[in-house]
Amino acid sequence: AQSVTQLDSQVPVFEEAPVELRCNYSSSVSVYLFWYVQYPNQGLQLLLKYLSGSTLVKGINGFEAEFNKSQTSFHLRKPSVHISDTAEYFCAVSPDYQISGSARQLTFGSGTQLTVLP
Amino acid sequence: EAGVAQSPRYKIIEKRQSVAFWCNPISGHATLYWYQQILGQGPKLLIQFQNNGVVDDSQLPKDRFSAERLKGVDSTLKIQPAKLEDSAVYLCASTLSGQGMFRAYEQYFGPGTRLTVT
Repeated sequence: AQSVTQLDSQVPVFEEAPVELRCNYSSSVSVYLFWYVQYPNQGLQLLLKYLSGSTLVKGINGFEAEFNKSQTSFHLRKPSVHISDTAEYFCAVSPDYQISGSARQLTFGSGTQLTVLP
Repeated sequence: EAGVAQSPRYKIIEKRQSVAFWCNPISGHATLYWYQQILGQGPKLLIQFQNNGVVDDSQLPKDRFSAERLKGVDSTLKIQPAKLEDSAVYLCASTLSGQGMFRAYEQYFGPGTRLTVT
């Protein structure tokens, strides 16, 4: 089984400041990692993903995340945030189907509300 | 490409009543998921379909929840009878299958149905 911990439920930050949203996971098998963003009254939109290759992955809207296997972390970062980045951010993991045989399913963290202040 | 469609967007019912939600996935997506997202929490998987077959329904409260995907395209999730704790957003997601290993992990979400049980 997998679990995801998002350490901060709320992160307020001023516009144009950098931000880091933390995510740690636990799994007995290899996993793939994702960050989703949810704007009010909308579904989830994929922000970025780590499937293989470079551990630093870049996503949409200027976000990036780094996979750290030894620390089982996948923190999300942006060097300069905008008001429009205000949203809920979810970290998620999926077991590697090829290795575990498990169905391709996402386990989500509880989310981090990012509020960008003017 | 049209996204995942869900209806209705909002529903208010009294406890012990029944309700149904509809989802139409992205064309060609063989895998369909239903999630329950309670306020302040991440989405929790209820059921996963592959075409018209159930892959995993281990977290579906089968005494009151049911879901079907009869023709392997659109799907219906039903609650009967509803309880107060069923108040949540119900999200539908879909993915490609057999189109290349990595793309099968990318889930596309609909806008959700917000259910309020009074």
